Amino acid sequence: EVQLVESGGGLIQPGGSLTLSCAVSGFAVSSNYMSWVRQAPGKGLEWVSIIYAGGNTYYADSVKGRFTISRDSSKNTLYLQMSSLRAEDTAFYYCARADTQAFDYWGQGTLVTVSS
Amino acid sequence: SYVLTQPPSVSVAPGKTARITCGGNDIGSKRVHWYRQKPGQAPVLVLYYDSDRPLGIPERFSGFNAGSAATLTLSGVEAGDEADYYCQVWDSSADVWVFGGGTKLTVL
Repeated sequence: EVQLVESGGGLIQPGGSLTLSCAVSGFAVSSNYMSWVRQAPGKGLEWVSIIYAGGNTYYADSVKGRFTISRDSSKNTLYLQMSSLRAEDTAFYYCARADTQAFDYWGQGTLVTVSS
Repeated sequence: SYVLTQPPSVSVAPGKTARITCGGNDIGSKRVHWYRQKPGQAPVLVLYYDSDRPLGIPERFSGFNAGSAATLTLSGVEAGDEADYYCQVWDSSADVWVFGGGTKLTVL
């Protein structure tokens, strides 16, 4: 059975840093395209970042230079390191697998709140 | 950057057909994917590559994409279809994934 479980969310002050994790079972993170998608409370979906099976990484302009996506094949886990956090980064963060350009498996999300 | 435009809301009576559009510049040249999201839940893929259904998605869901708009069609709408629906494409020119703003489907 495929499962994606995010963790690491919480309350963080503006300017702070936080790392999210996404533990995956049912397929290999390193063999798939893995992504982070976020959703501010009451708002729509926003793509954040993706890491290709080959290791290439891409980011939305809104997080470029502040967020870093990575993976650990030994733990089959995806990460999102977030720094210089802003109030507008407040959102539920979902990890998802990208297959044939679409996101076919999603986690349940973890909430990041940036506030003083 | 590439922009996808969806109507904020669509309303339909039970048993009728709902159509949700997703507009974008020459979107017909891209592959469009659709998601359903119910309150408090993660999104679920309901159509990929314009019109293909993942396992478990009923035939009531269909899609079409040409020109400047893609359409998700949901026939025989049920109360359980109330949700937010999002379209999404991969913009290969910039290697970015783009979502539409979402459409809230209300079953009257």
